[in-house]
Amino acid sequence: KAGVTQTPRYLIKTRGQQVTLSCSPISGHRSVSWYQQTPGQGLQFLFEYFSETQRNKGNFPGRFSGRQFSNSRSEMNVSTLELGDSALYLCASSRTSGSPGTDTQYFGPGTRLTVL
Amino acid sequence: AQSVTQLGSHVSVSEGALVLLRCNYSSSVPPYLFWYVQYPNQGLQLLLKYTSAATLVKGINGFEAEFKKSETSFHLTKPSAHMSDAAEYFCAVGFGNEKLTFGTGTRLTIIP
Repeated sequence: KAGVTQTPRYLIKTRGQQVTLSCSPISGHRSVSWYQQTPGQGLQFLFEYFSETQRNKGNFPGRFSGRQFSNSRSEMNVSTLELGDSALYLCASSRTSGSPGTDTQYFGPGTRLTVL
Repeated sequence: AQSVTQLGSHVSVSEGALVLLRCNYSSSVPPYLFWYVQYPNQGLQLLLKYTSAATLVKGINGFEAEFKKSETSFHLTKPSAHMSDAAEYFCAVGFGNEKLTFGTGTRLTIIP
């Protein structure tokens, strides 16, 4: 069974631009969560989508948005990029939007975004 | 609110020596606890998880962790380190349907 895939793996953008990242979950998984990983802040939860609806949201500005399609694939968009947005963006999928104790999250390899 | 603290951002051990990575949590209710590993240029891989069953949890690659409620700890151990264990390790805590809160990670270096 194929794992979580993320595209592209690497991106370089300049300040002020916008970017869209894509995540394809494991087949049969309907929940997709996004995380930002930086050396200073570690892993921070951005948001979760389940059945095309945002179910949870972390503490990030409105420049960060996402959506989920009917096939459970998800995209994350960051508008008006800032230098501080440089990070590894990780996507994780799970079968449901339930408890992490019973529904394991599987992570993709991430998209490394560099903002110049 | 839940939180997790990983003591030691960098740990070095000799090949064949005991690996001990420390994790302490704070949670007002019984937590779920996880250890993930991240190899360079890869995503996170689940090593093991505690979900209120046995307090000693065995995971992949010879790792195990023990839940100690009295010490609010969930330390990760491996009896004999291997070069392939070099990676970054993350402890995470969750409860109910809340999303996981991750620690800041511990980078494990194996000395030949």
